[in-house]
Amino acid sequence: KAGVTQTPRYLIKTRGQQVTLSCSPISGHRSVSWYQQTPGQGLQFLFEYFSETQRNKGNFPGRFSGRQFSNSRSEMNVSTLELGDSALYLCASSVAHRGIGETQYFGPGTRLLVL
Amino acid sequence: ELKVEQNPLFLSMQEGKNYTIYCNYSTTSDRLYWYRQDPGKSLESLFVLLSNGAVKQEGRLMASLDTKARLSTLHITAAVHDLSATYFCAVGTASNYQLIWGAGTKLIIKP
Repeated sequence: KAGVTQTPRYLIKTRGQQVTLSCSPISGHRSVSWYQQTPGQGLQFLFEYFSETQRNKGNFPGRFSGRQFSNSRSEMNVSTLELGDSALYLCASSVAHRGIGETQYFGPGTRLLVL
Repeated sequence: ELKVEQNPLFLSMQEGKNYTIYCNYSTTSDRLYWYRQDPGKSLESLFVLLSNGAVKQEGRLMASLDTKARLSTLHITAAVHDLSATYFCAVGTASNYQLIWGAGTKLIIKP
């Protein structure tokens, strides 16, 4: 079974631009979560989608948004990029993420550098 | 608010030694995860612990959970260089669809 895939793997943008990151979950997985990882703040939860609905959102500004499609693929968008948005963005999928013992499987991440 | 603390944050040890990483969390949780991350790589799931007294082992790694103390441990036995990585614990509840992560423990094992 193919793992979680994320595109692009690396991205360089300038302040004020916007960016869209893509995540394809493991086949059969319906839940997709997004995380931001930085050396200073560690791993922080952005949001989680299940069946095209956002079920939970972390403490990030409205510039961070996401969506999920009917095939469970997910995108996240960051508008008006700031230097502090430079990070590794990780996507994780799980079967349903509501049951006990659900394991999240992580993709390789997209490394975003904002100049 | 659920908070997760790991310690130590950095650990340098010699091959063949034993050591333990600790993960404390602040409120009731019904699931605790351990993940491993190699430099520049993504996260790999190691263990899922669901109940008080749960113990899981894989090779030289053993994880345990004490829900009353709100504490999980990851014990490394006779460490080998290949176990060098950053180890994260993450805690969640079934009522909240997110995991709260510890800061990670960077483990360096010297040959």
